[in-house]
Amino acid sequence: SQELEQSPQSLIVQEGKNLTINCTSSKTLYGLYWYKQKYGEGLIFLMMLQKGGEEKSHEKITAKLDEKKQQSSLHITASQPSHAGIYLCGADIENNFNKFYFGSGTKLNVKP
Amino acid sequence: EPEVTQTPSHQVTQMGQEVILRCVPISNHLYFYWYRQILGQKVEFLVSFYNNEISEKSEIFDDQFSVERPDGSNFTLKIRSTKLEDSAMYFCASSRARGPYEQYFGPGTRLTVT
Repeated sequence: SQELEQSPQSLIVQEGKNLTINCTSSKTLYGLYWYKQKYGEGLIFLMMLQKGGEEKSHEKITAKLDEKKQQSSLHITASQPSHAGIYLCGADIENNFNKFYFGSGTKLNVKP
Repeated sequence: EPEVTQTPSHQVTQMGQEVILRCVPISNHLYFYWYRQILGQKVEFLVSFYNNEISEKSEIFDDQFSVERPDGSNFTLKIRSTKLEDSAMYFCASSRARGPYEQYFGPGTRLTVT
């Protein structure tokens, strides 16, 4: 079963363009985490969202959690080659913070 | 900046051998996790650990797996008798406490079972 679905699976954008990655669950997202992973490396924490309607930004990356807490989006403004990598969403969907599920990832390529 | 460290970075072992993967979580963190990622697949939860006991484990975490916090700093994952399908990247993570806190991941140990 797919607890968390990410879309798109991969994305190629021209440098300077904006882009959005989505993470959707059929269950309530009690804690939603966004990570970036470079191929073969560890996960770098980007942001955590918890409350419905919450939005957080760091540099050119903005993440939102919808009011129903079943979908999150990650938006990158004016993309740069340094943004390239795999973006993963992870979440607690059992409201106990003991067990976390991850999406399959979105592979982002930014063309200079 | 504090970080989670893992050793070794790459471990090659023969099928049936025991392996121990080591992690040093961030020093003031109390909640620890192991995940694995088979090449090209999702990051999968294995186990969470708090207050010296397992909080939750997944279906993957069968009797071949065990975790331990042998001292105040290390957190280990042991696989008793490795199988070919155990080949994966294993990540350790830690968070300050149980609850909606950031989970910080280590760089991973690539386990290759031959």
